Amino acid sequence: NAGVMQNPRHLVRRRGQEARLRCSPMKGHSHVYWYRQLPEEGLKFMVYLQKENIIDESGMPKERFSAEFPKEGPSILRIQQVVRGDSAAYFCASSPPAGGGQNTGELFFGEGSRLTVL
Amino acid sequence: GQQLNQSPQSMFIQEGEDVSMNCTSSSIFNTWLWYKQDPGEGPVLLIALYKAGELTSNGRLTAQFGITRKDSFLNISASIPSDVGIYFCAGQLSGAGSYQLTFGKGTKLSVIP
Repeated sequence: NAGVMQNPRHLVRRRGQEARLRCSPMKGHSHVYWYRQLPEEGLKFMVYLQKENIIDESGMPKERFSAEFPKEGPSILRIQQVVRGDSAAYFCASSPPAGGGQNTGELFFGEGSRLTVL
Repeated sequence: GQQLNQSPQSMFIQEGEDVSMNCTSSSIFNTWLWYKQDPGEGPVLLIALYKAGELTSNGRLTAQFGITRKDSFLNISASIPSDVGIYFCAGQLSGAGSYQLTFGKGTKLSVIP
């Protein structure tokens, strides 16, 4: 199965700890996006990355959150010093290189990582 | 920022009935997309619309991109139990930031056998 792979599926952390969420995009996809979903809500854009580059992080909180997509290995969303309000489902999505420089919006989502902060 | 108003919030229908849900926005979007999310899973793309007025079908699903570019609807005909889930509309702008999708809050569909 060459779909978007996320792990862990579930993560429990105590306040103040760090959470690391990993995402491997679909084969052949070089664009990775992270979205956050609160209960009973739609998905909210956080960050868009290409290999070794953060293209747009305008949806990501300025403090405690960071993301990377290294040359080798999965994309990582890192949350430091977690608080209860960080509890949510975090979805990674990928897309192939944009044709003609225009992104179609057709994203392939992983199954999500559900973070619970105690 | 942009906001999408999706309605209804939830609906209960009998198996075999047709379903209609819609999405409106105060902003103009270049692309409208409809995703379905099953419990515990990620969203899956159902239909993508790229031109104002476009009407596109995918099996029993039909979606339209409104002429004003500020709305879209999704119809499901002859519903079946596996149609259960949450349906999200999403809009994409053109130009800078065009890779961001703005999602509605979803329509939760329950199908009674």
